[in-house]
Amino acid sequence: DVKVTQSSRYLVKRTGEKVFLECVQDMDHENMFWYRQDPGLGLRLIYFSYDVKMKEKGDIPEGYSVSREKKERFSLILESASTNQTSMYLCASNPGQNYGYTFGSGTRLTVV
Amino acid sequence: AQSVTQLGSHVSVSEGALVLLRCNYSSSVPPYLFWYVQYPNQGLQLLLKYTTGATLVKGINGFEAEFKKSETSFHLTKPSAHMSDAAEYFCAVTSGGATNKLIFGTGTLLAVQP
Repeated sequence: DVKVTQSSRYLVKRTGEKVFLECVQDMDHENMFWYRQDPGLGLRLIYFSYDVKMKEKGDIPEGYSVSREKKERFSLILESASTNQTSMYLCASNPGQNYGYTFGSGTRLTVV
Repeated sequence: AQSVTQLGSHVSVSEGALVLLRCNYSSSVPPYLFWYVQYPNQGLQLLLKYTTGATLVKGINGFEAEFKKSETSFHLTKPSAHMSDAAEYFCAVTSGGATNKLIFGTGTLLAVQP
């Protein structure tokens, strides 16, 4: 069964900390995505990557960066966590254009 | 630009009743359309998708959706709701062009009353 694995289900971090959210897929997919999900706002794209070391900004990249050193791993980095980054973070991957996504289980991040 | 509108952020039905969740899209290119379901504290799971061909698409758990180009709609239906269908449902459309992004609606939370 294909899988996207997010390293943590729940995280609590302090304001100003540097936070790493990890995502690994075992499907050899080219494309990987990071979304955040907030009530009433749906899913908003933060960053995506279509190849190793390649990345593009999504709709809300401010305060975030990403890293994709290997095809299977896509990391989201909060450079200096703030309380308005408290959210559910979802990682997804797909093999190409017009395919649906496979999602991870999500990481619920609380910044205090 | 592509966009998705889901009418009704909350829908409540009785067990055994028809489920109808509405989705309208805007797209400048032939759309690929998707419905996802999310159970509490979980990621999203693909219910069904329309790419090309037959406009009535059947998915998992007894759900189906019909692509109506003239109405720019892709409504999700299920003839008889079950308690286990209570979840949040998201409609999505491809963003077009060379990118592989999906554009998501804001979701509809389905409650099923006994």
